[in-house]
Amino acid sequence: DTEVTQTPKHLVMGMTNKKSLKCEQHMGHRAMYWYKQKAKKPPELMFVYSYEKLSINESVPSRFSPECPNSSLLNLHLHALQPEDSALYLCASSQVWLSYNEQFFGPGTRLTVL
Amino acid sequence: KNEVEQSPQNLTAQEGEFITINCSYSVGISALHWLQQHPGGGIVSLFMLSSGKKKHGRLIATINIQEKHSSLHITASHPRDSAVYICAGGETSGSRLTFGEGTQLTVNP
Repeated sequence: DTEVTQTPKHLVMGMTNKKSLKCEQHMGHRAMYWYKQKAKKPPELMFVYSYEKLSINESVPSRFSPECPNSSLLNLHLHALQPEDSALYLCASSQVWLSYNEQFFGPGTRLTVL
Repeated sequence: KNEVEQSPQNLTAQEGEFITINCSYSVGISALHWLQQHPGGGIVSLFMLSSGKKKHGRLIATINIQEKHSSLHITASHPRDSAVYICAGGETSGSRLTFGEGTQLTVNP
């Protein structure tokens, strides 16, 4: 299984809602990533988990809260988002967190904040 | 700060043409990734290079470490190759990727 899955595919939420994005991989990878991508722009790194520990938080606002319950799962909890947070949220994984490791990306969750 | 520059930004080709996308990167980057993103979002990793040349089907990626330059070539292009191609540099002394702005490729039948 060489796939990263993400749910949901699409999400529309109001600014007062709480929702979660889910990412799963069964490749035995020990590094998992959340990226945010705006239209016609490259992905921007948000968080890196290495061996289930948060290794990087790229100064992401606290309304985004990541969680890594186990080595296969990665969640992104959303609360009190702003319309400018509307974007494609991509999850990725790699064997370990090293820059020459291939990253496997999920299909993304397209988030719209009203 | 690490930098990655891609060219061209947009590229339109006729089916069958040979295509080249270029990527230059700064000191501090030692691994170069080529990624493909189709409309709808999903990103696929095509190659990771730290030296030399790699080939997969009609795709060829090369890297020149001295010149800090990499190219992605597509031979016998096909409309299904239409996508955004992104190069991303991996840090020498770290683990982050620095992304280029992407090249939008359109191959017309």
